[in-house]
Amino acid sequence: EDQVTQSPEALRLQEGESSSLNCSYTVSGLRGLFWYRQDPGKGPEFLFTLYSAGEEKEKERLKATLTKKESFLHITAPKPEDSATYLCAVGPILTGGGNKLTFGTGTQLKVEL
Amino acid sequence: ETGVTQSPTHLIKTRGQQVTLRCSSQSGHNTVSWYQQALGQGPQFIFQYYREEENGRGNFPPRFSGLQFPNYSSELNVNALELDDSALYLCASSSRGQGNSPLHFGNGTRLTVT
Repeated sequence: EDQVTQSPEALRLQEGESSSLNCSYTVSGLRGLFWYRQDPGKGPEFLFTLYSAGEEKEKERLKATLTKKESFLHITAPKPEDSATYLCAVGPILTGGGNKLTFGTGTQLKVEL
Repeated sequence: ETGVTQSPTHLIKTRGQQVTLRCSSQSGHNTVSWYQQALGQGPQFIFQYYREEENGRGNFPPRFSGLQFPNYSSELNVNALELDDSALYLCASSSRGQGNSPLHFGNGTRLTVT
């Protein structure tokens, strides 16, 4: 059974203070690693998919990286609008990850002025 | 491009009642999945529908059931509601057959069981 653990549970940063969120996982079979952002009262918003160790993807101030056991979401010079819960998930890649994503419990990020 | 829409946004039910939640998938998507998200937790997979048939199920009892319609919209039905069923119910769509299509989520239905 796939398992995903995220740390820290909560993170408070000052605007411009870069940091990283961690997602460690154990999986059976080929899996993709997915990052989502969730704002309060909203559904998760897709950010990235990573498939193989060494892969990196970037979007604005966010960069996701992947090793065989972990993924990191690096946030460079964050702004208050980056405040959200960041969810990591693993799922099958053959159907585009559409079947049974296993999520972690998320990291709640708060960026203050 | 129309995103995933869910209705209603909020619902209050009494223990033992039945509830139906509705979802319209994103245009061009043919697969619908349902997730349950308890407060402070990550979403948990309930089941997925493809070509109007259940195609994968998580660890949820049979009182959780669903339907997918020819236009790819979907319903989640929960019978004999329990207090622990209180959660945010998320619908997500994707396009099977387009290998790297990620899940796109709606904003959910907040169900409270009293």
